[in-house]
Amino acid sequence: DTEVTQTPKHLVMGMTNKKSLKCEQHMGHRAMYWYKQKAKKPPELMFVYSYEKLSINESVPSRFSPECPNSSLLNLHLHALQPEDSALYLCASSQVSRGFDNEQFFGPGTRLTVL
Amino acid sequence: LAKTTQPISMDSYEGQEVNITCSHNNIATNDYITWYQQFPSQGPRFIIQGYKTKVTNEVASLFIPADRKSSTLSLPRVSLSDTAVYYCLVGAPINNAGNMLTFGGGTRLMVKP
Repeated sequence: DTEVTQTPKHLVMGMTNKKSLKCEQHMGHRAMYWYKQKAKKPPELMFVYSYEKLSINESVPSRFSPECPNSSLLNLHLHALQPEDSALYLCASSQVSRGFDNEQFFGPGTRLTVL
Repeated sequence: LAKTTQPISMDSYEGQEVNITCSHNNIATNDYITWYQQFPSQGPRFIIQGYKTKVTNEVASLFIPADRKSSTLSLPRVSLSDTAVYYCLVGAPINNAGNMLTFGGGTRLMVKP
């Protein structure tokens, strides 16, 4: 199984809502990632988890709260978002620092719209 | 992290070979060069990775000159389904922390019939 799944596919939320994005992989990867991608722009790294611990936070606002409850799951909790946070949120996973072959496997993304 | 520069867009026709060149003048000794492909509303997909000289797999070839300041992704005999954005990335894995991918602007390839 070389698939990363993300739910939901689409999400519309108001600025006062609390919602969560979910990501799951069963490839035994111990590194997992969240990216944000605006329309016609490249993906931007938000968070990196390694062995279920947060290893990199790219100065993301606290209204985005990641969580890695186990080695297969990655969540992104959303609270008090702004309309400019509307984007495609991508999850990815990879082996941890194997050197040459650190291919990242991406999920299809969650299309988030903040009203 | 090394910055990459690619053409914003390219056009080609079915059956042609497409070469996309990426410039990365400040590549570090430990950095690898990786290319990803992205279709609309999908996550990026790994195409190929290399460190030096030439790498070939079932879908593409990657040419890296000796100074490593640039690289060229070669797609043989493209089809309409190769229409996508192609990203060149340069970086190295971080010990025990996965690897950071910093995507550049990407090249929008349009394959025409």
